[in-house]
Amino acid sequence: QVTLKESGPALVKPTQTLTLTCTFSGFSLSTSGMRVSWIRQPPGKALEWLARIDWDNDKFYSTSLKTRLTISKDTSKNQVVLRMTNMDPVDTATYYCTRWSTGGYFDYWGQGTLVTVSS
Amino acid sequence: EIVMTQSPATLSVSPGERATLSCRASQSVSSNLAWYQQKPGQAPRLLIYGASTRATGIPARFSGSGSGTEFTLTISSLQSEDFAVYYCQQYNNWITFGQGTRLEIK
Repeated sequence: QVTLKESGPALVKPTQTLTLTCTFSGFSLSTSGMRVSWIRQPPGKALEWLARIDWDNDKFYSTSLKTRLTISKDTSKNQVVLRMTNMDPVDTATYYCTRWSTGGYFDYWGQGTLVTVSS
Repeated sequence: EIVMTQSPATLSVSPGERATLSCRASQSVSSNLAWYQQKPGQAPRLLIYGASTRATGIPARFSGSGSGTEFTLTISSLQSEDFAVYYCQQYNNWITFGQGTRLEIK
């Protein structure tokens, strides 16, 4: 059974760096073909893909946010970490950790974690 | 970036009736399209991938069709649990999502 769960601060101040952790089970990021992504959703708005990390440590980022994002993994802990620098109120959103299927769609999602950016 | 446009923004349908949701891509995405259902306070759930393949456990009343730039999600006989927001997503050229269609009870 595949599960993913996000953890991190619920509130961050503008200009701070956000660090989110995804802890997953039911698959391994050391297995060929496995990939994990982060997606976010501002309140009442649509979904936005942020970043992806692959089993071989390849990393990919949203063009519009790539200068602010860093994704990493700890295979031994079954965790993926997303860092986003210089947070702004417009970054207020629910952040989801997802498994990226071999095709490119997202077959498993975490429950999401709401991050509010406010002073 | 490929822009995904969903229509209508809101669709009002009575239980038991058919719902047809549309998704248009700004350029061809072949059949690399997925549909998700999202209920309030929940994460999206994968319904359809490859434009027409139902994900595991998805009821047969959900069907997807289309290729290239025009796609449709059809729910053949709406159940109470189907009222939600639906998103399309292309994965032919990275990832982009549509803005969603809210399916509400008429």
